[in-house]
Amino acid sequence: GAGVSQSPSNKVTEKGKDVELRCDPISGHTALYWYRQSLGQGLEFLIYFQGNSAPDKSGLPSDRFSAERTGGSVSTLTIQRTQQEDSAVYLCASTREVDYGYTFGSGTRLTVV
Amino acid sequence: KQEVTQIPAALSVPEGENLVLNCSFTDSAIYNLQWFRQDPGKGLTSLLLIQSSQREQTSGRLNASLDKSSGRSTLYIAASQPGDSATYLCAVPSGSARQLTFGSGTQLTVLP
Repeated sequence: GAGVSQSPSNKVTEKGKDVELRCDPISGHTALYWYRQSLGQGLEFLIYFQGNSAPDKSGLPSDRFSAERTGGSVSTLTIQRTQQEDSAVYLCASTREVDYGYTFGSGTRLTVV
Repeated sequence: KQEVTQIPAALSVPEGENLVLNCSFTDSAIYNLQWFRQDPGKGLTSLLLIQSSQREQTSGRLNASLDKSSGRSTLYIAASQPGDSATYLCAVPSGSARQLTFGSGTQLTVLP
């Protein structure tokens, strides 16, 4: 596609429920990143996918967070047993390679009530 | 570990004024530096990308400079407009994943 697409744009969920957030990167972009932006906080790196390599999960805050990328394209970020502190905007970015810069999606605003 | 700092944290200027936003980074071994704009409740829009071998990049009323040796970048906005009001973020790729390390941003308000 022309840009990085994320869905849903907004998600309200009850504490303890599981949620799935979707990212569709730009076609041909082999690298995909997830970031989290909490209210009043900076952008926090979560996870990185590069081609068919094993993902870099070093930024995931707990084992309730997981992500997968199917067919080297679409990625899903799953948060299990959501907590109120998970409320944030989750941003996805993709790039062909680092020299080309990064393109971000419009984000998913997650609210845990 | 790379650290990125932006000053000022907030800036309010009258329409038409030229302004400079500052970004500094602690590790000068960078691939490039990217400036983004974020409107409230929105994602990030890329403004300018400067490669480590470049000194500056221009796009319309925006000019970004890079001094890698001193760990500094500036974003110059000419003839500011109310539509320029947003948070401006600078970021550099770092780490084994080349993930972006962001500054905390400068919140710009341009008054009509």
